[in-house]
Amino acid sequence: RKEVEQDPGPFNVPEGATVAFNCTYSNSASQSFFWYRQDCRKEPKLLMSVYSSGNEDGRFTAQLNRASQYISLLIRDSKLSDSATYLCVVNMRDNYGQNFVFGPGTRLSVLP
Amino acid sequence: DADVTQTPRNRITKTGKRIMLECSQTKGHDRMYWYRQDPGLGLRLIYYSFDVKDINKGEISDGYSVSRQAQAKFSLSLESAIPNQTALYFCATSELGDPNEKLFFGSGTQLSVL
Repeated sequence: RKEVEQDPGPFNVPEGATVAFNCTYSNSASQSFFWYRQDCRKEPKLLMSVYSSGNEDGRFTAQLNRASQYISLLIRDSKLSDSATYLCVVNMRDNYGQNFVFGPGTRLSVLP
Repeated sequence: DADVTQTPRNRITKTGKRIMLECSQTKGHDRMYWYRQDPGLGLRLIYYSFDVKDINKGEISDGYSVSRQAQAKFSLSLESAIPNQTALYFCATSELGDPNEKLFFGSGTQLSVL
């Protein structure tokens, strides 16, 4: 089983739609959680950290459920510029020490 | 100027050649990482360093070596490149002590091994 799994995608949605991405992680000792955005062939950039209480940044809302080992990202009122791959990242203690583990990513295409 | 700089941006080499990818940072972070990304896969950790005297293997270190020449510099070497090392390579940094420790990436190096 992969340590961090995400919806396989791709998601193709019209402008203005609401889209939700899901992520699960296997290590219950994981300590911090993030969503990164990656444009094609570019470096990943932090979109938002994910807190147990949930957090919102404009059109983006992230939720964490530690009991279920589940993270979500909700994008409201999708824009063309939201088209990218969204990476779920978990900072966990694994066989290599405490490290960031990446999910494979979910690609989003927002269509006009 | 970028906070995390990788060189070169693109590299084409032949099987068996030794090559080095370089990374420098101006963020003052202690922790540095090398990842590779293959299509359809998440970023996978090759090596990481938590300070100048600390080097650790990651998930896929075979065929690679690293050198932490200074706090700001962390280079990745392929001793004898092979075609399945063709990938997009990223260097990243993070700050020890940040309770929500985040990664900051360089722009990546696309390596092709023929």
